[in-house]
Amino acid sequence: QSALTQPASVSGSPGQSITISCTGTSSDVGGYNLVSWYQQHPDKAPKLMIFEVSKRPSGVSNRFSGSKSGNTASLTISGLQAEDEADYYCSSYAGSVTFGVFGIGTKVTVL
Amino acid sequence: QVQLQESGPGLVKPSETLSLTCAVSGYSISSGYYWGWIRQPPGKGLEWIASIHHSGSIYYNPSLKSRVTISVDTSKNQFSLRLSSVTAADTAVYYCARPDAWALIDYWGQGTLVTVSS
Repeated sequence: QSALTQPASVSGSPGQSITISCTGTSSDVGGYNLVSWYQQHPDKAPKLMIFEVSKRPSGVSNRFSGSKSGNTASLTISGLQAEDEADYYCSSYAGSVTFGVFGIGTKVTVL
Repeated sequence: QVQLQESGPGLVKPSETLSLTCAVSGYSISSGYYWGWIRQPPGKGLEWIASIHHSGSIYYNPSLKSRVTISVDTSKNQFSLRLSSVTAADTAVYYCARPDAWALIDYWGQGTLVTVSS
C-alpha cells in the first residue's frame, strides 16, 4: 500500500492560483473517479474539501477545484488567501482489498 | 450533526497493547457507512489503520493487519481499536472517522495523541 505522491510544498502570493498534484497508479487514482482532498490546519483534524475528483461539499469555497488525468489528480486553489495556508492530502479509493490510500501531503504556504 | 470522540490512554508502554474507543453521536452505526481509524505520526502524513462495517466487513492496512483488532458495539454506538506489540513508531495522533464504501471520509474525530514510551 504505497502512499500517493504529492509535492512536499507549494507556495503562492495572495490572490494567485496554485495547483497541487497527486500521482498514483491504475490501481487507485487512475482506476476510479474517487479521489478526495483534505485540508489540515495545525493540530486540527483534516477537513474534506473535494470528493469524487471535482465535487465540493456544502460550505467549501468555490476557489477550490479538482481534476484528474490518468493516474494524476490535481487540486487548484484560486484567489489564494492567508487562511488557505495548511497541509493538503489527497486520498483515493484503492479497491476491495486495500480500500483507501492517502497522499504524503503538501504544505501550502501563502507568501 | 455527526460527532466522533476518541478516548483511551495517552501513554502506552512498548510491547503493550494500545486500546482506543470512538463514541459516535448524531448517527447510528447500524445505519450504514464504515467506521475507521487513521493515524498521523508527529510531523508526518496520514495512514489508514483499519475500517469496519456493522455487518462485519473489515478492511486492514496490510502493514498493520497482524497487530490490529477493530470491533464495533452497536448497543453503545461506538467502535474500538486495539494495536498490539506497540513500539515508538506507533506514537501518533489517532483519529476515528466515518468513511463510506469508497473510502471517502466526511466526519473525523478531533484526534488523540498516543505516545509509546516506558
